[in-house]
Amino acid sequence: NAGVTQTPKFQVLKTGQSMTLQCAQDMNHEYMSWYRQDPGMGLRLIHYSVGAGITDQGEVPNGYNVSRSTTEDFPLRLLSAAPSQTSVYFCASSYSMDRGLSGANVLTFGAGSRLTVL
Amino acid sequence: GDSVTQMEGPVTLSEEAFLTINCTYTATGYPSLFWYVQYPGEGLQLLLKATKADDKGSNKGFEATYRKETTSFHLEKGSVQVSDSAVYFCALTGRLLSNFGNEKLTFGTGTRLTIIP
Repeated sequence: NAGVTQTPKFQVLKTGQSMTLQCAQDMNHEYMSWYRQDPGMGLRLIHYSVGAGITDQGEVPNGYNVSRSTTEDFPLRLLSAAPSQTSVYFCASSYSMDRGLSGANVLTFGAGSRLTVL
Repeated sequence: GDSVTQMEGPVTLSEEAFLTINCTYTATGYPSLFWYVQYPGEGLQLLLKATKADDKGSNKGFEATYRKETTSFHLEKGSVQVSDSAVYFCALTGRLLSNFGNEKLTFGTGTRLTIIP
């Protein structure tokens, strides 16, 4: 059982370049999300999805796009990279974030993608 | 808005020492509380959780009690091991993300723990 798989693990970009961080899960989770982790700031939510075809913004969505065409995949796109987007990115999924459901609100994380923008 | 405050790190302890990592929160309503752990080179994983006041979450020798009167969820372990070296994140859910009924998970800044033999 692979869980949540993120690629690439490391990436260096120049300012203005675009790229896509890939995220795939094999647990049939409806909820998927992207976080960025920065020193002294914990994890901040970028975008999330509650199912195929449904996405919404988190706390820090500017400069990022997402789509959810299948239950398994949730790619994060940087359209024009900036040095402020240098960070470690985590994809996380859950079968639900609805507290009304037993066992919900528990996230499974990928191993992370470290991005450096020069 | 919701927020989580953790004790500043890094924390360095000797093996078999007693561990406390403080966590306090601010939230409206009745949040669920979590501790996640991040081992070197890995993503976060759930360590324990508590969903209502006075609940105690426990796992792998770690414990935390949901204290509503002090808005705290301190992490404790009686005897730490070298393998416990990691970054620990306190988190809460409570505020709705949207009309979908899903809750937002808010994280603290993390506390790096190093255990020396």
